[in-house]
Amino acid sequence: KQEVTQIPAALSVPEGENLVLNCSFTDSAIYNLQWFRQDPGKGLTSLLLIQSSQREQTSGRLNASLDKSSGRSTLYIAASQPGDSATYLCAVISDYKLSFGAGTTVTVRA
Amino acid sequence: ETGVTQTPRHLVMGMTNKKSLKCEQHLGHNAMYWYKQSAKKPLELMFVYSLEERVENNSVPSRFSPECPNSSHLFLHLHTLQPEDSALYLCASRRDRSSSEQYFGPGTRLTVT
Repeated sequence: KQEVTQIPAALSVPEGENLVLNCSFTDSAIYNLQWFRQDPGKGLTSLLLIQSSQREQTSGRLNASLDKSSGRSTLYIAASQPGDSATYLCAVISDYKLSFGAGTTVTVRA
Repeated sequence: ETGVTQTPRHLVMGMTNKKSLKCEQHLGHNAMYWYKQSAKKPLELMFVYSLEERVENNSVPSRFSPECPNSSHLFLHLHTLQPEDSALYLCASRRDRSSSEQYFGPGTRLTVT
């Protein structure tokens, strides 16, 4: 059974600092890995999808890396802003199933 | 907007009530999902439908009954729920069962009293 762990569970940083969010998974036989953002009480917004053959994916200030062999992915958010405050979830995709971590709740202080 | 809508957005029901949650997607996707999100817990996959056929029932109690009449609509019928069923219920869709990104609806916040 795939287990996904996200560390840290919560993170508070001053505005402008770079964010590093970690995701680890136990079974490296995955199709893709997807990072999501969730605002309180809302649904999930897809941020980045990394194919299993890729090492990283970038979108604006966001960069996600994937190391399948070690079962790790890292989401970097450059120059954080208060609007980046949210919970960030990673999901490992195997066939039709997504396995989610519990998330990292980020607070960016103005 | 992601193209996945859910109604109602909020629902309060008693343990003896029967209600239904509705999910609709206009993305032309063939796979649809129900998830449950309880406080401080990872998302739990409940059901997966691919081309209107249920391909996953993740040990969900029978008081939750899904229905997928076509590839654009997914329902979750609820009856005799328990207070511990209170949660955010999220619907999602994908182009097909093994491809690419999953798109989520805004969720239904369910409170069972």
